[in-house]
Amino acid sequence: GESVGLHLPTLSVQEGDNSIINCAYSNSASDYFIWYKQESGKGPQFIIDIRSNMDKRQGQRVTVLLNKTVKHLSLQIAATQPGDSAVYFCAVIGSNDYKLSFGAGTTVTVRA
Amino acid sequence: DVKVTQSSRYLVKRTGEKVFLECVQDMDHENMFWYRQDPGLGLRLIYFSYDVKMKEKGDIPEGYSVSREKKERFSLILESASTNQTSMYLCASSRTVNEKLFFGSGTQLSVL
Repeated sequence: GESVGLHLPTLSVQEGDNSIINCAYSNSASDYFIWYKQESGKGPQFIIDIRSNMDKRQGQRVTVLLNKTVKHLSLQIAATQPGDSAVYFCAVIGSNDYKLSFGAGTTVTVRA
Repeated sequence: DVKVTQSSRYLVKRTGEKVFLECVQDMDHENMFWYRQDPGLGLRLIYFSYDVKMKEKGDIPEGYSVSREKKERFSLILESASTNQTSMYLCASSRTVNEKLFFGSGTQLSVL
């Protein structure tokens, strides 16, 4: 099965700085990668995704980078704001799969 | 936007009770999922369904069953609730295979 790990369980960042959250996966057949944000008391919310035919994708203030060679995924948040404080999960799925494999989550705390 | 609605936000039950958690999605998604989320353990898949009346076991199905009689509704059943089933339960849906999941807000279940 797929193993998905995050490098750091917590991250403290100064408001206005950039945040980088990392994730590693084990299955080279994985081809779809998703980042979720979960605020306290809420369900995970989709942030951004990337397919394996790409190595970078940008959204509003967020960028996902995919390095298939080393099976590594990262989420970059530009100009981090207090509203970005949450738990961030990466999720991985292979082609023809229904089930996502989730990392354990990184808790991001934004300091004023 | 996709909406996944879970019937209860908080639920308190007694050991041995039969518990029903209901989930409804409004986007005609094929797949529906039940996860539980516990501190330090991340999201763990209990059951999923890829079609009406179809179900498959996830990673931790013991003590649970599911029902999907209509495409939009997926129920999780705890046949005889136990204290170790105290957890946050999250329902999710996806349009088809190899697609991102949309989550509900979760049900915090306490079994006393």
